[in-house]
Amino acid sequence: AQSVTQLGSHVSVSEGALVLLRCNYSSSVPPYLFWYVQYPNQGLQLLLKYTSAATLVKGINGFEAEFKKSETSFHLTKPSAHMSDAAEYFCAVSEGGGADGLTFGKGTHLIIQP
Amino acid sequence: KAGVTQTPRYLIKTRGQQVTLSCSPISGHRSVSWYQQTPGQGLQFLFEYFSETQRNKGNFPGRFSGRQFSNSRSEMNVSTLELGDSALYLCASSLTSGSLYNEQFFGPGTRLTVL
Repeated sequence: AQSVTQLGSHVSVSEGALVLLRCNYSSSVPPYLFWYVQYPNQGLQLLLKYTSAATLVKGINGFEAEFKKSETSFHLTKPSAHMSDAAEYFCAVSEGGGADGLTFGKGTHLIIQP
Repeated sequence: KAGVTQTPRYLIKTRGQQVTLSCSPISGHRSVSWYQQTPGQGLQFLFEYFSETQRNKGNFPGRFSGRQFSNSRSEMNVSTLELGDSALYLCASSLTSGSLYNEQFFGPGTRLTVL
């Protein structure tokens, strides 16, 4: 069975500092991994996805993530945080094709300090 | 192009009642998935519909059901509501079935409160 662990329910960084949100997964087959962002009172928006084409994935809003099979990780980073990045971030895994749905982590609330 | 719309946005019900939530996917999208979001359990997959057929179902009791119409619009129904059903219910649409190949576009959700 697939699962996702996001380390840190809350992460606080200063504006302009590096953002690092951690995600570790468990999967019995090569996984497909996603990062979503959720702003207050809104649905989820896809930031980026890994589908085995390249281990370093670039997404929207300056975010990127690196797939590390040996560490079963897919951490999300952004070089310089902006106030508008404050939101809830979710890592998700899908084990394969078909309608298996996404398995989400518990989420990380990103706080940006001025 | 209009996004995923969900109605109603907010709903208040009492225990034992039933509720129906509606989701209209992006035009041309044929797959609709439903998720439940709660503070305690996070985001959990309920089910997916594609071409009016349920493709997969998450680990939820039979009180949770859904359907999809020929125009791809989907409804989910929860019968005999319990306090624990209070949640944000999110609908996501994609071009075809399978999250692997198709980005899922999420609606704003329906906030259900059970009293």
